[in-house]
Amino acid sequence: VMTQSPDSLALSLGERATITCKSSHDILYRSNNKNYLAWYQQKLGQPPKMLIYWASTRASGVPDRFSGSGSGTDFTLTISSLQAEDVAVYYCQQYYDTPPTFGQGTKVEIK
Amino acid sequence: EVQLVESGGGLVQPGGSLRLSCAASGFPFSSYWMTWVRQAPGKGLECVANINPDGTQKFYVDSVKGRFTISRDNTKNSLYLQMDSLRVEDTAVYFCTKGILGYLALDNWGQGSLVTVSS
Repeated sequence: VMTQSPDSLALSLGERATITCKSSHDILYRSNNKNYLAWYQQKLGQPPKMLIYWASTRASGVPDRFSGSGSGTDFTLTISSLQAEDVAVYYCQQYYDTPPTFGQGTKVEIK
Repeated sequence: EVQLVESGGGLVQPGGSLRLSCAASGFPFSSYWMTWVRQAPGKGLECVANINPDGTQKFYVDSVKGRFTISRDNTKNSLYLQMDSLRVEDTAVYFCTKGILGYLALDNWGQGSLVTVSS
């Protein structure tokens, strides 16, 4: 089970946004030292878009204000300076087990 | 450019069947895990089923086991989801997704196909 917090947050433009994701079990695969954790952004009316995989690797074309960190069971997605186009719902996903599972989502809005 | 185009959604009565298709292009389809993900109206994301590159391994979320069947035709670059004994709670947008090479982080998504189960 993947649990995100908070469920929603509202920040001013330029502020730092932090979303946490906790897995019910360890998703660090010891043989390759990789955390099987991804982050997605879903804007209204669109399919999700992958932002981060292996917990901290940015996907192609993703702005560097998005960063991921953490290991084992506790992970964080940070938006260093919130922009208007970042309004969306963000999901974490573990892909250690199959089928993979998502967190419940965190809605990010502009205050 | 990777493209994933779903088709086959629609309105069906409870207990009915539908078959979703996904036409893939822009990448070597036969080398990648593929996954169907659904999203009920106003709700979060749920991986329904996934399949390995050669189609020999298939995994399902518990809620659809015995009712849904994932398959692929690598000669046609196509992914399928046969949905039988449909329930009202299966109502959702169904996305066809591609994993990163060898893994199930989902780097490409289709636009989705709406399945509505209602009498």
